[in-house]
Amino acid sequence: SQTIHQWPATLVQPVGSPLSLECTVEGTSNPNLYWYRQAAGRGLQLLFYSVGIGQISSEVPQNLSASRPQDRQFILSSKKLLLSDSGFYLCAGGRGELFFGEGSRLTVL
Amino acid sequence: DAKTTQPPSMDCAEGRAANLPCNHSTISGNEYVYWYRQIHSQGPQYIIHGLKNNETNEMASLIITEDRKSSTLILPHATLRDTAVYYCIVLVNYGGATNKLIFGTGTLLAVQP
Repeated sequence: SQTIHQWPATLVQPVGSPLSLECTVEGTSNPNLYWYRQAAGRGLQLLFYSVGIGQISSEVPQNLSASRPQDRQFILSSKKLLLSDSGFYLCAGGRGELFFGEGSRLTVL
Repeated sequence: DAKTTQPPSMDCAEGRAANLPCNHSTISGNEYVYWYRQIHSQGPQYIIHGLKNNETNEMASLIITEDRKSSTLILPHATLRDTAVYYCIVLVNYGGATNKLIFGTGTLLAVQP
């Protein structure tokens, strides 16, 4: 079965610092990969999705970026974090039904 | 934008069936209906999906109306651990290149003891 690994689970970062969240997928090849963000008390917002290595589509303009250096690896980055980047970040992957990781809770101070 | 409409919240007594409705009146012929749930502070969990026939698995049943404009997720014997936000999503390109799950606001199901 498919498993999504996501880390770190929790991090606290100062405004202006860089960010790197990593996600890897097991149990399937050539998955579609996604990054979602969930602000406190809000729904899930799709940030990026990827259908293959090096192929990234952005759903919303922001100071975040995503990369897919390998088939089963998806990275979310920022060069300079903003307060508004705080939230719960979820990686998802699959073809058809999507499986989600356990999330990374980011607090920007 | 999400293409589904769900009630914001519902209550259900423990041990009873929970019936969660979803309207998707603009669904296209090639769009599937997916259900996910999210327990507080966890990643969403896949429950079930269907195209036009009713579906059942170990977690739930999915009833889709004949015109496909609405559906109902049924948890046959709700437990306290089923308390979660339930999302109904329509999704095109099953297994294809652009499966984008667009989440709406979902239904908060509160199972009461």
